[in-house]
Amino acid sequence: GEDVEQSLFLSVREGDSSVINCTYTDSSSTYLYWYKQEPGAGLQLLTYIFSNMDMKQDQRLTVLLNKKDKHLSLRIADTQTGDSAIYFCAESMSGTYKYIFGTGTRLKVLA
Amino acid sequence: DAGVTQSPTHLIKTRGQQVTLRCSPISGHKSVSWYQQVLGQGPQFIFQYYEKEERGRGNFPDRFSARQFPNYSSELNVNALLLGDSALYLCASSPELASSYNEQFFGPGTRLTVL
Repeated sequence: GEDVEQSLFLSVREGDSSVINCTYTDSSSTYLYWYKQEPGAGLQLLTYIFSNMDMKQDQRLTVLLNKKDKHLSLRIADTQTGDSAIYFCAESMSGTYKYIFGTGTRLKVLA
Repeated sequence: DAGVTQSPTHLIKTRGQQVTLRCSPISGHKSVSWYQQVLGQGPQFIFQYYEKEERGRGNFPDRFSARQFPNYSSELNVNALLLGDSALYLCASSPELASSYNEQFFGPGTRLTVL
């Protein structure tokens, strides 16, 4: 089945780390993505991870993938007020551009 | 370089009407996908078009149709609009039909309101 779940809200203080979690059900997923959506805007790709990887780091962003539990997380270090947005995880399979998106997590960064 | 562009940005229609949304992919990209994002939810896949042919379809009724033109731009048509069609419609482009890495580039979307 196709189902990607995320917690709805997360609130952190500026300078702290944020961890956004996602669970997915399709074990045949090849790529997993994190997108950011600011109010009134489209989707901005933050990072992605291939399903045979466990971790990927890109500046302030760290993605962890637990394939056994089908769990994906995005850690944002030194969270800033500009990081306030909705974050979506998404999965896809090799050979298709059909993305399955999660429900989104609204991150609020408190100054 | 211009990214994916969509028009119009906002649109208001009444129930039963028909609407056409437009998308221009990034120059050189041949594949266009359409997504519907209802308020408070993640985007849902509607269609993928490549080389003017439909290559994938999500769980949407036949009221939804699309086409792709020789210049790879695309139109999404929705007939007999319902209140539940109110959403942000996102277009995404990618270089090819599929590759080892499936990055899509999203446009800013068209906000459709059905009254």
